[in-house]
Amino acid sequence: DAMVIQNPRYQVTQFGKPVTLSCSQTLNHNVMYWYQQKSSQAPKLLFHYYDKDFNNEADTPDNFQSRRPNTSFCFLDIRSPGLGDAAMYLCATSRGPSTSGAHKRDTQYFGPGTRLTVL
Amino acid sequence: RKEVEQDPGPFNVPEGATVAFNCTYSNSASQSFFWYRQDCRKEPKLLMSVYSSGNEDGRFTAQLNRASQYISLLIRDSKLSDSATYLCVVQAFTEDSNYQLIWGAGTKLIIKP
Repeated sequence: DAMVIQNPRYQVTQFGKPVTLSCSQTLNHNVMYWYQQKSSQAPKLLFHYYDKDFNNEADTPDNFQSRRPNTSFCFLDIRSPGLGDAAMYLCATSRGPSTSGAHKRDTQYFGPGTRLTVL
Repeated sequence: RKEVEQDPGPFNVPEGATVAFNCTYSNSASQSFFWYRQDCRKEPKLLMSVYSSGNEDGRFTAQLNRASQYISLLIRDSKLSDSATYLCVVQAFTEDSNYQLIWGAGTKLIIKP
């Protein structure tokens, strides 16, 4: 059974046309992440939510926004997609870090990704 | 210097051979380490965590060398299905209980019949 679900799996949008990608999880994890991955590159963390706390990476463009209306769902909004935003977008979840105990090793579980094409 | 570095490969290895690759990290405060496997056009999947004492899971062995700041992955008796990109992930907790997660760009492994 899928634990981290992403929809759609493939998204085609036009240059400048807003697009929303969705992620849902059945793991009841505290943390949800959005990554961008381009071919032959490492996944690049865009932002993450620890519960309702939003954490934006310093180099994430303003064009990328996120919403987490509840524990299970998280959305990635790309306000004005450019050609350079074509990539695989990966959602991941984890229980959440702490400085001790089992959470110290905070394993991430990924969804299957959404491949975004910008025309 | 990149925070987490991996040889991009590809490593072309005959089926049945043993292959090993390393991942170096620059943050000496790093505390947790992972190997993920990523098949072409798929999401990364956790292969194994890396423990201080080293750990083994079937044909896979992971080692951590804190003194030299690298982790390694050894694959014995390689199978065609081991062909994938192997990404290392380094996790470091900061004083304010935040944490930093850094991904390597991956090492591509191709197992040939």
